[in-house]
Amino acid sequence: DTAVSQTPKYLVTQMGNDKSIKCEQNLGHDTMYWYKQDSKKFLKIMFSYNNKELIINETVPNRFSPKSPDKAHLNLHINSLELGDSAVYFCASSPGSGGYGYTFGSGTRLTVV
Amino acid sequence: KNEVEQSPQNLTAQEGEFITINCSYSVGISALHWLQQHPGGGIVSLFMLSSGKKKHGRLIATINIQEKHSSLHITASHPRDSAVYICAVLQGGSEKLVFGKGTKLTVNP
Repeated sequence: DTAVSQTPKYLVTQMGNDKSIKCEQNLGHDTMYWYKQDSKKFLKIMFSYNNKELIINETVPNRFSPKSPDKAHLNLHINSLELGDSAVYFCASSPGSGGYGYTFGSGTRLTVV
Repeated sequence: KNEVEQSPQNLTAQEGEFITINCSYSVGISALHWLQQHPGGGIVSLFMLSSGKKKHGRLIATINIQEKHSSLHITASHPRDSAVYICAVLQGGSEKLVFGKGTKLTVNP
């Protein structure tokens, strides 16, 4: 039973398209995150939600919009995709209590052509 | 300069060797994670530390809060330990992880 599941695992799309990546966690965690891993494998936070409320919004283009319909789901919608958006996107969740139980999804490899 | 620095960037070892990966950070933290990422891409949390030392099988992690430094040790390394090891700190008062650039470990048989 996957704790943090992301779909799709792979996404290949053309520049200018709009796409979404979905994330769901069944751990009962209060906080969810989106991280981006670039071509050099460096991870950086994009967004964090706590109980459906946005709490962290790093310097990310407005084309990226997270949506949390409930505390178990955090989706990432990307408008007008650009070549530079190609990366691996990781969803994660935590109970929100000092970092214990931090759990990552398996990642979505986005390739923009 | 990155807030979290790891060394070495790349490490090649022979099976059975003792491995040490170092992590230094420059910000106040509430906890530090050691993460493992295999070539398949998934990320697994190996340890979370806020003080002292933790051991799990052949893996040992230590942290010195005063010196802002942590180490990950692997005893009797094995080819299946080949992966990227990432140090990540939880900034004080935040649930946000800040990552090092990772150490790519290759253990040869």
